[in-house]
Amino acid sequence: DTEVTQTPKHLVMGMTNKKSLKCEQHMGHRAMYWYKQKAKKPPELMFVYSYEKLSINESVPSRFSPECPNSSLLNLHLHALQPEDSALYLCASSQGRMNTEAFFGQGTRLTVV
Amino acid sequence: SQELEQSPQSLIVQEGKNLTINCTSSKTLYGLYWYKQKYGEGLIFLMMLQKGGEEKSHEKITAKLDEKKQQSSLHITASQPSHAGIYLCGADGGDNTDKLIFGTGTRLQVFP
Repeated sequence: DTEVTQTPKHLVMGMTNKKSLKCEQHMGHRAMYWYKQKAKKPPELMFVYSYEKLSINESVPSRFSPECPNSSLLNLHLHALQPEDSALYLCASSQGRMNTEAFFGQGTRLTVV
Repeated sequence: SQELEQSPQSLIVQEGKNLTINCTSSKTLYGLYWYKQKYGEGLIFLMMLQKGGEEKSHEKITAKLDEKKQQSSLHITASQPSHAGIYLCGADGGDNTDKLIFGTGTRLQVFP
């Protein structure tokens, strides 16, 4: 199983809503990632978890809150988002420690209204 | 911080033509990855290169990493409409972390 599963596929939320994006992998990967991708731009790294601990936070605003409940799951909690946060959010996982490919989910298309 | 620049930004070719996409790094590359993305979808892993001078092929796609490990090229032979999409090079942060960053991307269109 080389799948990374993201839910939901699409999400529309208001600026006062609280929602969560979910990501799951069963490949035994120890590194998991959240990326944000705007239209016609490359993915931008947001967070990296290594061994279920947050190892990289690329100065992401606190309205985005990651969580890694266990080695297979990664969540991204959203609160008080702005319309400019509308984007494709991608989750990925890898064996980690350089020189290993990352596998990506299909993404969640988020629209903030 | 490391930056990856891709060229060209976009490419429109006729089916059957060969094409090359380049990826240039501001720092030495410790691991270079090529991915393909269809619009609005996830990234599909194509190839990984680690050693200077390394070359790998998958079907009609060949990728090379130069000896100095600061540039990579992706070459598609006899392009087909199925090759259309966005090609992204990615690299390890090189600082012994799990950081993975991406290049600026190349949008490829192949017309019959």
